[in-house]
Amino acid sequence: KQEVTQIPAALSVPEGENLVLNCSFTDSAIYNLQWFRQDPGKGLTSLLLIQSSQREQTSGRLNASLDKSSGRSTLYIAASQPGDSATYLCAVRREYGNKLVFGAGTILRVKS
Amino acid sequence: DADVTQTPRNRITKTGKRIMLECSQTKGHDRMYWYRQDPGLGLRLIYYSFDVKDINKGEISDGYSVSRQAQAKFSLSLESAIPNQTALYFCATARGGTSGMEFFGPGTRLTVL
Repeated sequence: KQEVTQIPAALSVPEGENLVLNCSFTDSAIYNLQWFRQDPGKGLTSLLLIQSSQREQTSGRLNASLDKSSGRSTLYIAASQPGDSATYLCAVRREYGNKLVFGAGTILRVKS
Repeated sequence: DADVTQTPRNRITKTGKRIMLECSQTKGHDRMYWYRQDPGLGLRLIYYSFDVKDINKGEISDGYSVSRQAQAKFSLSLESAIPNQTALYFCATARGGTSGMEFFGPGTRLTVL
């Protein structure tokens, strides 16, 4: 059974700092991995999707990497801003199905 | 207009009541999903549907049922609600194919007293 773990559970940083969120998964046989952002009272917004054959994806100040063999992904946020404050969720799509398995998320607070 | 909508957004009900949560999408996606989110547990899959004639159980389907009325509509029912079904419920859609990115609705906060 695939399990996804996100570390840290919560993170508080000053504005302008670069930061890294970590995601690990137990079964390396995945098709892709997706990073989401969740704001209080709102749904999930997809940030980046990395296919299993890819090593990284970039969107603006966000960069996600994937090391499938070690079961790890990182989300790098450059020059953090207060508007980045949210919960960040990592999810993997299993090889033999089309369902996402989610981690519990990292709660990020960027202080101004 | 939002691509994935959920109604109601908030609902408080009592134990034993039947509840239906509705999801509609305008993205033209074949695949639709229902998840629930509990604090500290992330999202867990309840049911999913790959097309109108296809319904599949997820990891926590007990106590729930679904109906795919059309490509654009996917409803989740709690036949007899119980307090541990209090959670945030999300509907999601995806284009067919294993690499499809999922798009989520805004969620329904359900409280069962």
